[in-house]
Amino acid sequence: DAGVIQSPRHEVTEMGQEVTLRCKPISGHDYLFWYRQTMMRGLELLIYFNNNVPIDDSGMPEDRFSAKMPNASFSTLKIQPSEPRDSAVYFCASSLTGFRGGDTQYFGPGTRLTVL
Amino acid sequence: AQKITQTQPGMFVQEKEAVTLDCTYDTSDPSYGLFWYKQPSSGEMIFLIYQGSYDQQNATEGRYSLNFQKARKSANLVISASQLGDSAMYFCAMRTSRDDKIIFGKGTRLHILP
Repeated sequence: DAGVIQSPRHEVTEMGQEVTLRCKPISGHDYLFWYRQTMMRGLELLIYFNNNVPIDDSGMPEDRFSAKMPNASFSTLKIQPSEPRDSAVYFCASSLTGFRGGDTQYFGPGTRLTVL
Repeated sequence: AQKITQTQPGMFVQEKEAVTLDCTYDTSDPSYGLFWYKQPSSGEMIFLIYQGSYDQQNATEGRYSLNFQKARKSANLVISASQLGDSAMYFCAMRTSRDDKIIFGKGTRLHILP
């Protein structure tokens, strides 16, 4: 089975540009999570979806960040306009069920974003 | 408040020795799950092991075992017979029945010495 797929793997952009990160969860997984990892702040949950519906976006840092899940096999995280402090590794993860399923989250390889 | 604490920022261990990575957690929810993930230098997050709060026995997965002490709220990861490839960052995480989010600790960087 293919794991979680993220693209691009690396992104270098200039401040002010729009950045779109993409994620394809594991087929059949109902939950999708977006995380950001930095040295200073560690691993932070930005937003998560259940059956394509955003459930909790309290971790989204500002209005510059937005996430969508138009269907069960695709999600995007958009930053517009990007700033240098957005430089981080962005992970997408998916899980088959929520907590009651006792299921774990499986992570994609991450997208390393550098904003100059 | 729910919290995961990993007090060891870094550890150095000789190859073939057993390793224990500490993790304590805090939650008032009686139903929860505990996870360990490995992040090698390549950056991916690899799921290692899971322990449910109602599981009677400690979880084991190959060389990995989870030393679950519920009364002490600890969930230490034990790696038996360490290998050079075990050098990585290790994260302890928790999920409760309150919602479906996983919260992560700050991690422990493990270095295996030849």
